[in-house]
Amino acid sequence: DAGVIQSPRHEVTEMGQEVTLRCKPISGHDYLFWYRQTMMRGLELLIYFNNNVPIDDSGMPEDRFSAKMPNASFSTLKIQPSEPRDSAVYFCASSPTGWGEKLFFGSGTQLSVL
Amino acid sequence: TQLLEQSPQFLSIQEGENLTVYCNSSSVFSSLQWYRQEPGEGPVLLVTVVTGGEVKKLKRLTFQFGDARKDSSLHITAAQPGDTGLYLCAGGDMRFGAGTRLTVKP
Repeated sequence: DAGVIQSPRHEVTEMGQEVTLRCKPISGHDYLFWYRQTMMRGLELLIYFNNNVPIDDSGMPEDRFSAKMPNASFSTLKIQPSEPRDSAVYFCASSPTGWGEKLFFGSGTQLSVL
Repeated sequence: TQLLEQSPQFLSIQEGENLTVYCNSSSVFSSLQWYRQEPGEGPVLLVTVVTGGEVKKLKRLTFQFGDARKDSSLHITAAQPGDTGLYLCAGGDMRFGAGTRLTVKP
């Protein structure tokens, strides 16, 4: 079992550029979550999907952020345009059944926006 | 949104000491989870508690869920350097507290 796979592991970009983060959940998991982690704000839930459908995007900071899940094995989180305050570690997690169940996290993408 | 407050924010102790960290909320939870996160990795689930008053043990770690299901504690006995990490609690809505950063010095 490969676990949740995120790419890239590290991303350095300049302010104003588009950034796309990728996630492959564990096969058979119906729920996929995107989180952002910073020292100041901790681990924040951005959005989650159930069976590829976005359910709650209330944590998405602003319109510059968008997330898609075109199929059960792939999701993207896009930031356009990126800003220095978007610098953080972005985690993807999947779960078999969602609420209250075990989350399986990827290793995260460390994003630095200069 | 159910807000979770964790305390202390930071804790640095010597190997062999005991410690307790806390996770509190004004809301009632259907379940609560504890995760540990090591540098450069995602959080890993330690335990899920569901029933008020429930106590679960995982080797030297003891987890307790409050009777009213609004709070939880994690007690570590005879801490070891390998226990170093960020301890996070999460409610049933999959939102996390800010965490307790534990350092155990040899």
